[in-house]
Amino acid sequence: AQSVAQPEDQVNVAEGNPLTVKCTYSVSGNPYLFWYVQYPNRGLQFLLKYITGDNLVKGSYGFEAEFNKSQTSFHLKKPSALVSDSALYFCAVRDVGFKTIFGAGTRLFVKA
Amino acid sequence: ETGVTQTPRHLVMGMTNKKSLKCEQHLGHNAMYWYKQSAKKPLELMFVYSLEERVENNSVPSRFSPECPNSSHLFLHLHTLQPEDSALYLCASSQSASPTDTQYFGPGTRLTVL
Repeated sequence: AQSVAQPEDQVNVAEGNPLTVKCTYSVSGNPYLFWYVQYPNRGLQFLLKYITGDNLVKGSYGFEAEFNKSQTSFHLKKPSALVSDSALYFCAVRDVGFKTIFGAGTRLFVKA
Repeated sequence: ETGVTQTPRHLVMGMTNKKSLKCEQHLGHNAMYWYKQSAKKPLELMFVYSLEERVENNSVPSRFSPECPNSSHLFLHLHTLQPEDSALYLCASSQSASPTDTQYFGPGTRLTVL
């Protein structure tokens, strides 16, 4: 069965510092991996996805993620955090079925 | 979230009421989804429709009844709900039900069951 783990409930970083939000996954076949962000009282917004190819995926708002097959990880990164990046971040995985499995979410706080 | 709209944005209902949530997508997509987001729990997939046909029913209680009259509209009919059904209900759509297609979410309906 597929699963996703986001080991950190919360990540705190200072503005201008690099940020990493961690995600590990488990699927039986090829993984299709997604990152979404949710701001208060809003739906989820798509950031980026890995389907195949280059392990480093670039997405919206300066975010990127690195797919690591051996470590079954798909960590979200940004070189320089902004206060406006403070939000709830979700990693999701899907295999060949219709079901997308979301992680529990990681709350990111960026301090000015 | 522009492109997928949900109404109402907030709904308070008693356990004996019947209400419906509406979702509309303006993206020309062929797949639509209902999710439940509860506090301190991961997002839970409820239903998946592809080309107006239900292709996934994730063990959802029968008090939740989906309807997809066309590829642009999705409804969730609610009746005899329980307080634990209080949550944010999110609708999403994607080009197709392919696992590689990105899902685009609406802003959600905040449901409170008294």
